[in-house]
Amino acid sequence: AQTVTQSQPEMSVQEAETVTLSCTYDTSESDYYLFWYKQPPSRQMILVIRQEAYKQQNATENRFSVNFQKAAKSFSLKISDSQLGDAAMYFCAYRSGKGAQKLVFGQGTRLTINP
Amino acid sequence: EADIYQTPRYLVIGTGKKITLECSQTMGHDKMYWYQQDPGMELHLIHYSYGVNSTEKGDLSSESTVSRIRTEHFPLTLESARPSHTSQYLCASTRGTNTGELFFGEGSRLTVL
Repeated sequence: AQTVTQSQPEMSVQEAETVTLSCTYDTSESDYYLFWYKQPPSRQMILVIRQEAYKQQNATENRFSVNFQKAAKSFSLKISDSQLGDAAMYFCAYRSGKGAQKLVFGQGTRLTINP
Repeated sequence: EADIYQTPRYLVIGTGKKITLECSQTMGHDKMYWYQQDPGMELHLIHYSYGVNSTEKGDLSSESTVSRIRTEHFPLTLESARPSHTSQYLCASTRGTNTGELFFGEGSRLTVL
């Protein structure tokens, strides 16, 4: 079974600075997809960024980018120019390329933005 | 915002009561999911559905049951609630492509006294 590990329960960063959230995963599959989701307090979980395992190029969405190291099974999220609205729980997630397309989530990292 | 709705948002009930958590989406998505999440913790899949009349148990064992009679509706039922069922329940749906994102509802926070 696939597992996802986020080793940082909490992180904090100064507004306008850059922060990196770590994620590692374990799988024997070659076809899979990785995601970062954001869960603001008492609000809906939303997708931040996704990465297809077959793509070597790291995904980027505005201030959010990933560092995808397939051999190391690492998938970190970098947030540049942090804003107060970035404060939330961030979850790394894995989805197999076949089957039920279920998401397997990591434990989450609570990100605090200091003004 | 995603067009997926959960009711009730908050529910406090006594032990032994039957409860149904509602989930509806207006996006025409075939695949729907229920996740259980304790506060500040990871999400665990408890049920999912590929489409109408299709339901499967997830990775985390749950005493709850689900049904999928209509594409847009995926309710979760607890026949006899217990304090151990206290948690947040998140409903999600997806179009079904591999790169398609899951859209989540706002969650139903259940407290069983």
